[in-house]
Amino acid sequence: RKEVEQDPGPFNVPEGATVAFNCTYSNSASQSFFWYRQDCRKEPKLLMSVYSSGNEDGRFTAQLNRASQYISLLIRDSKLSDSATYLCVVNGATDSWGKFQFGAGTQVVVTP
Amino acid sequence: NAGVTQTPKFRVLKTGQSMTLLCAQDMNHEYMYWYRQDPGMGLRLIHYSVGEGTTAKGEVPDGYNVSRLKKQNFLLGLESAAPSQTSVYFCASSSTDRTSSYEQYFGPGTRLTVT
Repeated sequence: RKEVEQDPGPFNVPEGATVAFNCTYSNSASQSFFWYRQDCRKEPKLLMSVYSSGNEDGRFTAQLNRASQYISLLIRDSKLSDSATYLCVVNGATDSWGKFQFGAGTQVVVTP
Repeated sequence: NAGVTQTPKFRVLKTGQSMTLLCAQDMNHEYMYWYRQDPGMGLRLIHYSVGEGTTAKGEVPDGYNVSRLKKQNFLLGLESAAPSQTSVYFCASSSTDRTSSYEQYFGPGTRLTVT
């Protein structure tokens, strides 16, 4: 079983709609959680960290559910520019906080 | 401030050839990483370094070697390239400062094809 799992999608979303997707992690000792965005053939870039209390950054909301071991990302009022692959990243899933575990990504396609 | 840079951007090797990928960062980060990304598998950690002169194995280290002789540079070597090493290679660095949330900064990637 992979340590970090994501629904690969694609999630086809009309412009202006809301889309949400989850990421599950296997190690309950995981300490830090992140969402990264990766555009086609480009490097991943940090979208937002995920805090225990949940956090919001503009149209993006991230939540952490430690009991069920998943994190979620919700995108409101989707823009065409939101089309990308969203990577779930977990830190501290092994013996060192410096080692990050990446999910394979969820593809989001926003259509006009 | 260039962030994280990687050279080369593209390379085609023949089976058995060797090469070195160079990663450089100008953010004074302690931690540096080498990942490979293959379709449908996400990023997998090859090797990482927690400081100058130190390296450690990641999830898929076989067939690769690394060196961190200077804090700002992290080199990834392929001693005898194999077609299974065809991939996109990303270098990343991160701070040990908790206020930065341990954000990883990535280089633009190196697309390697082994024939």
